[in-house]
Amino acid sequence: TAGITQAPTSQILAAGRSMTLRCTQDMRHNAMYWYRQDLGLGLRLIHYSNTAGTTGKGEVPDGYSVSRANTDDFPLTLASAVPSQTSVYFCASSEDRGGTDTQYFGPGTRLTVL
Amino acid sequence: GQNIDQPTEMTATEGAIVQINCTYQTSGFNGLFWYQQHAGEAPTFLSYNVLDGLEEKGRFSSFLSRSKGYSYLLLKELQMKDSASYLCAVRNSNYQLIWGAGTKLIIKP
Repeated sequence: TAGITQAPTSQILAAGRSMTLRCTQDMRHNAMYWYRQDLGLGLRLIHYSNTAGTTGKGEVPDGYSVSRANTDDFPLTLASAVPSQTSVYFCASSEDRGGTDTQYFGPGTRLTVL
Repeated sequence: GQNIDQPTEMTATEGAIVQINCTYQTSGFNGLFWYQQHAGEAPTFLSYNVLDGLEEKGRFSSFLSRSKGYSYLLLKELQMKDSASYLCAVRNSNYQLIWGAGTKLIIKP
């Protein structure tokens, strides 16, 4: 199985433009997450979804929105990009938010906002 | 606030043993995770501790002391492919993972 896929692999975006980062998992996991990873900082949770149809805010949600129309897909949208959103974005999924709840990560999207 | 502290970088020799420490202060505790992340790649799961003590998995072991807010990852018989960053993460009372910045481990021949 593919696990988790993300698209695009990398992107350069002009400030003020909008963009959607795509994430798809084929493991039928209930929970999905979006993180950003910046040099010298730990992974920071942007948004999460416990199950299809529900979403929640993480540690750094401002400037981002998500939707969870079905189990497999969890897109992340930047409505109006700013340079501080330059980062590596990882999508992850887990069976559930509890128990051993191992999170599996996609390969990441490297986004540069100019 | 909540924070996870790990050393920024460590260097070790091929074939040796290295211990990577992690201390944490979080709002509640529901388990501690260690992940490995090679440069330019995604984090991958290594270990999970929720009770005090040592969990051994091949060349890798992870230890937890909840009373001290402390964990370590022990890597034995180091190989060059173990050169990577090692991320410590704690799940808090809201079942949110709080991540450390990671420890970059450099293995020298």
